[in-house]
Amino acid sequence: ETGVTQTPRHLVMGMTNKKSLKCEQHLGHNAMYWYKQSAKKPLELMFVYNFKEQTENNSVPSRFSPECPNSSHLFLHLHTLQPEDSALYLCASGQGANEQFFGPGTRLTVL
Amino acid sequence: AQSVTQLDSQVPVFEEAPVELRCNYSSSVSVYLFWYVQYPNQGLQLLLKYLSGSTLVKGINGFEAEFNKSQTSFHLRKPSVHISDTAEYFCAVSDRSNNNDMRFGAGTRLTVKP
Repeated sequence: ETGVTQTPRHLVMGMTNKKSLKCEQHLGHNAMYWYKQSAKKPLELMFVYNFKEQTENNSVPSRFSPECPNSSHLFLHLHTLQPEDSALYLCASGQGANEQFFGPGTRLTVL
Repeated sequence: AQSVTQLDSQVPVFEEAPVELRCNYSSSVSVYLFWYVQYPNQGLQLLLKYLSGSTLVKGINGFEAEFNKSQTSFHLRKPSVHISDTAEYFCAVSDRSNNNDMRFGAGTRLTVKP
């Protein structure tokens, strides 16, 4: 499989649940990103990893916890989320000044 | 930090008509500029990018955009749209010295009607 993949594609969870989103890139890129896409709002950058090191954390609440075990895999661990966290979560990878390549996203619904 | 404004949230147009989706940016540093397209239930796909050189950039699916530094704009155009062009379009800007800091506009929903 090529490009950027994300699993699961859809996730419904309660506010007390713990779940994880997974992202995998097969492009040999050094940087990986998590974005949140909510209706009627610009894409929000959440986290950036370069060479497995976190380089950006845009004031994201601690109920979102990223993990990057290697340059090809990125996780987003979720716990005690709120209904307003319902959104499409997009993973992307990139290298240098070139564009970012996006996965299909995980549609998250928090009940 | 840079920011992006997409002036139209929705653009309805008839098939085979020309279309322009407007994008203005604000930045105190030199930037790279991008247009992405998002089809339903999919991630973002790059249409075109401006890094340097010619200010007229051609992309996939017959789209093109022109970088205008004096007007800080990067409008997207297509001379004749198809039904399949119906999608959400995002303009993005990144700092040349820190490409990790990419900012996106709120998006323009292009609807092509028969």
